[in-house]
Amino acid sequence: GENVEQHPSTLSVQEGDSAVIKCTYSDSASNYFPWYKQELGKRPQLIIDIRSNVGEKKDQRIAVTLNKTAKHFSLHITETQPEDSAVYFCAAYNNNDMRFGAGTRLTVKP
Amino acid sequence: DAGITQSPRYKITETGRQVTLMCHQTWSHSYMFWYRQDLGHGLRLIYYSAAADITDKGEVPDGYVVSRSKTENFPLTLESATRSQTSVYFCASSEQPGGTEAFFGQGTRLTVV
Repeated sequence: GENVEQHPSTLSVQEGDSAVIKCTYSDSASNYFPWYKQELGKRPQLIIDIRSNVGEKKDQRIAVTLNKTAKHFSLHITETQPEDSAVYFCAAYNNNDMRFGAGTRLTVKP
Repeated sequence: DAGITQSPRYKITETGRQVTLMCHQTWSHSYMFWYRQDLGHGLRLIYYSAAADITDKGEVPDGYVVSRSKTENFPLTLESATRSQTSVYFCASSEQPGGTEAFFGQGTRLTVV
């Protein structure tokens, strides 16, 4: 089955800096790649997603890039704010199978 | 977000007991999912359902049973709880297959002692 690896496991940035989280996947047939944000004690919430026919997608301060050849995708957060502090999960989907990365704990220091 | 709710929010049970976690969604989404979340593992799919009376195993189904007699409900039962099933359980629903664009419930923290 699919295997998703996520790096780094923890990331600390200064407010206003950019943050980048990377994920690699193993199954070349995976075709949907969501990113979830989970604040402490809360539910995961979808923040952005990308499908395999698209290379990049942006939504205000967040963007996701996909490199199908290398089988990796990344989340980019610009102008980080303290409220961006959370755990971020990537996932890869194929054929009713959604596999998640282990998560990245992002801390934005004011 | 009242669209998908889980109950109870917290549960402590003893090894060997049967326990059922409830999930209810008001969107009439076709697809529903159960995940467990453990430190270092992210979210792992236990079972999913594509419609009423249709369920299928996910990545880690052993020790769990699900049913879906109504579209809006998707209960998860641990038939004989073990300590390794101590986890946070999330239910999710989606109108899309496979959990794409899914919405999650608030989670149930289950402790098996």
